[in-house]
Amino acid sequence: DSGVTQTPKHLITATGQRVTLRCSPRSGDLSVYWYQQSLDQGLQFLIHYYNGEERAKGNILERFSAQQFPDLHSELNLSSLELGDSALYFCASSPRDPIYNEQFFGPGTRLTVL
Amino acid sequence: KNEVEQSPQNLTAQEGEFITINCSYSVGISALHWLQQHPGGGIVSLFMLSSGKKKHGRLIATINIQEKHSSLHITASHPRDSAVYICAVKGGTSGSRLTFGEGTQLTVNP
Repeated sequence: DSGVTQTPKHLITATGQRVTLRCSPRSGDLSVYWYQQSLDQGLQFLIHYYNGEERAKGNILERFSAQQFPDLHSELNLSSLELGDSALYFCASSPRDPIYNEQFFGPGTRLTVL
Repeated sequence: KNEVEQSPQNLTAQEGEFITINCSYSVGISALHWLQQHPGGGIVSLFMLSSGKKKHGRLIATINIQEKHSSLHITASHPRDSAVYICAVKGGTSGSRLTFGEGTQLTVNP
């Protein structure tokens, strides 16, 4: 158990819908990263938050947005869902200085868009 | 060409064999991670290294910064080692985000 929690574990929804994925980092970790793992693209970085502020963006679609709240949990919002958004979404957390520290992964949320 | 290349893509071994998975990268990095992903999907961090060698139980990871190459070795492999092993790098222009290899599917038969 990494100490990172993600909810829900599984999510099945229809095209055009909107969903929210939630991540709680390890106690004391200030950084939260979101990654997407799809069959055709592998693991890809989406976005990084540090202590409530967006630090970096990767290949995140405009239909996707994220935020990190004062209690450091983070939410990834996916809207106008398409079939191709079906994937495993992981968050990972890291301590105060993320460059020199490991990232600890949550169990993931498996999103299926029908 | 991907920034992080792993080989082999698939590896089948007999229980007890010594296993090596290789990772080459083409960018400047601050650290390299080896991750393990089991069939259920969860990802576990095995090692983070920026130089030299690390050992944990039957697992050994090495990195050669000059050659931009890392290896993950498993000694006395066991069926429970069957998983996908993923190499990921961070640092340089990418900051602290991870850039991943495509993974190596390892199957260890009894």
